[in-house]
Amino acid sequence: QLVLTQSPSASASLGASVNLTCTLSSGHSSYAIAWHQQQPEKGPRYLMKLNRDGSHSKGDGIPDRFSGSSSGAERYLTISSLQSEDEADYYCQTWGTGIWVFGGGTKLTVL
Amino acid sequence: EVQLVESGGGLVQPGGSLRLSCAASGFSFDTYDMHWVRQAPGKGLEWVSTIGIPFDTYYAASVKGRFTISRENARNSLYLQMNSLTVGDTAVYYCARDDLGIFDVWGQGTTVIVSS
Repeated sequence: QLVLTQSPSASASLGASVNLTCTLSSGHSSYAIAWHQQQPEKGPRYLMKLNRDGSHSKGDGIPDRFSGSSSGAERYLTISSLQSEDEADYYCQTWGTGIWVFGGGTKLTVL
Repeated sequence: EVQLVESGGGLVQPGGSLRLSCAASGFSFDTYDMHWVRQAPGKGLEWVSTIGIPFDTYYAASVKGRFTISRENARNSLYLQMNSLTVGDTAVYYCARDDLGIFDVWGQGTTVIVSS
């Protein structure tokens, strides 16, 4: 079964960096994923597509502070030089044949 | 500007029906698969349904048999017909564009409340 697992919460200080993790279920470690950001009271926003080899392509207007990397079944979103507007929920997403899946989301708090 | 605008949400009683619409602009609508995604209050994102370019359709188990996705390429529009609604269908419903499996453009959402 295709499942994405995310930690429910994370926190980091203003100006610091943070890594958010998305873990693919067993047997699906080769899958690419996408990262999406949802700021409070807003709709989701596509951030980037992240491949198994760590290569990634970002959506229009996404700052260089956002980057991705991969290791095995883990997919990472790194946000550097944290700003207050980065406080949001972050979702990973992937797909299979006739199915699309979201992780449970990570709520990022900027201290 | 690439844009998706949902409409049609509202308050409906359990067992009722509602039809959501999504108007697309700024891109060649007929060359993209399209999705509906929902978010219940205080919860995460849940994929609901997808329609492909040749009109192939897919549904989450939670809505299969009750919801019908369709598209009208001439009007650059996506639809979601929702029947036999339950309290569990209360959510903000988003339409999203597909780019090789990923949701690369999102609408702002329309709210559906199922309540007596």
